[in-house]
Amino acid sequence: DAGVIQSPRHEVTEMGQEVTLRCKPISGHNSLFWYRQTMMRGLELLIYFNNNVPIDDSGMPEDRFSAKMPNASFSTLKIQPSEPRDSAVYFCASSKTGAGGNQPQHFGDGTRLSIL
Amino acid sequence: GESVGLHLPTLSVQEGDNSIINCAYSNSASDYFIWYKQESGKGPQFIIDIRSNMDKRQGQRVTVLLNKTVKHLSLQIAATQPGDSAVYFCAERGITGRRALTFGSGTRLQVQP
Repeated sequence: DAGVIQSPRHEVTEMGQEVTLRCKPISGHNSLFWYRQTMMRGLELLIYFNNNVPIDDSGMPEDRFSAKMPNASFSTLKIQPSEPRDSAVYFCASSKTGAGGNQPQHFGDGTRLSIL
Repeated sequence: GESVGLHLPTLSVQEGDNSIINCAYSNSASDYFIWYKQESGKGPQFIIDIRSNMDKRQGQRVTVLLNKTVKHLSLQIAATQPGDSAVYFCAERGITGRRALTFGSGTRLQVQP
């Protein structure tokens, strides 16, 4: 079975550029999560969706970050304009129920983002 | 100061020994806990979970113990293998407010051949 699929795996771009990260959750999963991982702060939740609706975006650092989930099989995380401090590994995860259900989240292998 | 990641607690064990990785969680109202394993260059991989109405759960070579009195979670790995070398994270979910998982800072397990 296919797991969570993220693209690209690596992205290097100059500051000020727009960056778009993509995620395809596991088929049948109705919750999707975006995380950021850095050495300093560990794994941080940015936003999560339930049935394509954003439920909690309190982890989104600032207005430069936005996330969408136009359908059950696709989500994007966009950074515009990007800054060097946005450099991190961004993970997408999905689970079968809402965040209130006792089901584990399954993670993709992440996008390693470097902003020069 | 130096980053938390550079000072990840490290547990070094010999191949074949049992490993115990500990985690102190923060929210006494958390009702669900998960252990993840993360290898270099990969995403966290689900290992085992436990609900707050249980104090022990066993999987293949792994056991999770939950002590709600002292807010402590542990992961026991039997007969540790080189392939078990990774960073291990515990995660908890509260029952009120924000229901998403909160992750610990992780423990690095090094298995010596």
